[in-house]
Amino acid sequence: QKEVEQDPGPLSVPEGAIVSLNCTYSNSAFQYFMWYRQYSRKGPELLMYTYSSGNKEDGRFTAQVDKSSKYISLFIRDSQPSDSATYLCAMNNQGGKLIFGQGTELSVKP
Amino acid sequence: SAVISQKPSRDICQRGTSLTIQCQVDSQVTMMFWYRQQPGQSLTLIATANQGSEATYESGFVIDKFPISRPNLTFSTLTVSNMSPEDSSIYLCSGYRGEVLGTEAFFGQGTRLTVV
Repeated sequence: QKEVEQDPGPLSVPEGAIVSLNCTYSNSAFQYFMWYRQYSRKGPELLMYTYSSGNKEDGRFTAQVDKSSKYISLFIRDSQPSDSATYLCAMNNQGGKLIFGQGTELSVKP
Repeated sequence: SAVISQKPSRDICQRGTSLTIQCQVDSQVTMMFWYRQQPGQSLTLIATANQGSEATYESGFVIDKFPISRPNLTFSTLTVSNMSPEDSSIYLCSGYRGEVLGTEAFFGQGTRLTVV
């Protein structure tokens, strides 16, 4: 079993839709949870990070962590074609290695 | 965040040859890492590049195949040695500064390697 599981998609939605991206994990020691966005032929860029359980909002993006279920989500409201990219979840415990999910490819159609 | 310049951005190489990838950060970073990203796969950590000493390799990766240098706090190289088609992948360097790994990490644009 992989430490982090992420549905690879691809996921295709119309512009303006709400997008939900999810990851599950097995290591209860993880405390920091990140979402990266990767455009084609570019390196990943950090979108948001959350410490422990709870929600964090940044504009159209909301990150949720449920440690009891070992489940994290990224919601994108009013999705735009410019949001089309691969989204990677990542997590670690302080001082540990960063473990990535395999990424979900998202396409937002105008 | 800092900017990482990685080169080459892509290359096509003959099997049996070696390729050195360079990574330059525009400011000092605490740690630098090298990852491999294969199509449809997650980023896999190859090694941590340690300044002035030997890199720390992850399981499945060895120094003879992936020698790494980090002569100072802003520069690192990864060499892919004696290449085979199985080495075709995207190689990414990452820099990090801060207390918690990942929360302040940033990446180069990657090197897309094709071995023929």
